[in-house]
Amino acid sequence: GALVYQYPRRTICKSGTSMRMECQAVGFQATSVAWYRQSPQKTFELIALSTVNSAIKYEQNFTQEKFPISHPNLSFSSMTVLNAYLEDRGLYLCGARQVLNSDYTFGSGTRLLVI
Amino acid sequence: GEQVEQLPSILRVQERSSASINCTYENSASNYFPWYKQEPGENPKLIIDIRSNMERKQIQGLIVLLDKKAKRFSLHITDTQPADSAMYFCAARTGGADRLTFGKGTQLIIQP
Repeated sequence: GALVYQYPRRTICKSGTSMRMECQAVGFQATSVAWYRQSPQKTFELIALSTVNSAIKYEQNFTQEKFPISHPNLSFSSMTVLNAYLEDRGLYLCGARQVLNSDYTFGSGTRLLVI
Repeated sequence: GEQVEQLPSILRVQERSSASINCTYENSASNYFPWYKQEPGENPKLIIDIRSNMERKQIQGLIVLLDKKAKRFSLHITDTQPADSAMYFCAARTGGADRLTFGKGTQLIIQP
């Protein structure tokens, strides 16, 4: 079946430093990858949508300068949180799918704590 | 774009009774409506979904209803158990778009 491995599961970084999270698709081709953030007590906000061989589309309030994303092939994507501060803490989730209008398969999430 | 409203934000029900969570959406082009269950400290997991060509779907004790005219969809959990206590999120995806827009979530508490 389709699986998405996301790592690390949890990470702590010092305020002002950066951290990178990765997602690996297994059993299908991750043509599209969506990155979401769930801040404490909030719902899931879409950060950006990445499609292989296309430009990455960032949502309002999220920028490439802050959340650079790499999606070099059909099985891997990574996102970095640059210069992390307290407001960046939360659960980051990647979701991948092969074709338009198919279901997303989500990774297990990366919980970021900023101290 | 799409906006999804989800109510209630907190729902307490007695064990073995039913629980209902309601969501509304704005974009009539939305055609896929999944429901996710999130346990504390875990990622959300898809529990049931419905597409716009259906009005009702049931998987064991989970029932989802879709009213396209009213742009409303709902999750009903019958015969609730303590293990059903969790956060539940509805979502809507607009046809032709890659976006999945989530509701704000409902914390379901099953009381013994």
